[in-house]
Amino acid sequence: ELKVEQNPLFLSMQEGKNYTIYCNYSTTSDRLYWYRQDPGKSLESLFVLLSNGAVKQEGRLMASLDTKARLSTLHITAAVHDLSATYFCAVVRPVRGGSQGNLIFGKGTKLSVKP
Amino acid sequence: EAQVTQNPRYLITVTGKKLTVTCSQNMNHEYMSWYRQDPGLGLRQIYYSMNVEVTDKGDVPEGYKVSRKEKRNFPLILESPSPNQTSLYFCASTSRWGRGLRMNTEAFFGQGTRLTVV
Repeated sequence: ELKVEQNPLFLSMQEGKNYTIYCNYSTTSDRLYWYRQDPGKSLESLFVLLSNGAVKQEGRLMASLDTKARLSTLHITAAVHDLSATYFCAVVRPVRGGSQGNLIFGKGTKLSVKP
Repeated sequence: EAQVTQNPRYLITVTGKKLTVTCSQNMNHEYMSWYRQDPGLGLRQIYYSMNVEVTDKGDVPEGYKVSRKEKRNFPLILESPSPNQTSLYFCASTSRWGRGLRMNTEAFFGQGTRLTVV
């Protein structure tokens, strides 16, 4: 059974600080997704990581994927209040017929950035 | 504009009264799915559909039905809602490109439907 675990589940940061959110998954997968969710809102795609060693950056967020360790990280640099949200990682679980599309989500990391 | 549209956004209903949450996408995607989001549990898949008339159970299908008569629509049906189905529901439409092991996917989510069953 594919499991996706995020750490930490809650994170309170001071503005200007750096921190990393971890996403571990239990079975082989070479693609991983990061989403952001603001309170009461839908999920917004942040990063799609498609291969081992993939690194993507957008503003103060940088995501990486190590498929051998089954680990993805989301690094926050010099946090600002606008980054306060819940962040989810998700891994694709293959379905019958070999086609892919089922996303298995972690429980999310609720990030709060304080002045 | 590429969109996944859910309706209604908010719904309060009583136990046992059948309801349908609609989902429509304009991206011509074959793959669509429904998730529910509960505090501390993240998002869990209810049902998915790989194409018209092809649907299958996800991780938490009990108490739900779906249908896929057209590519663009994927309604979620609760025949007899119960309070434990109070949740935030998301429909997702997934683009897929590539083939076989190199198939890549990206999911686009609707705005969510907050359902309360009393």
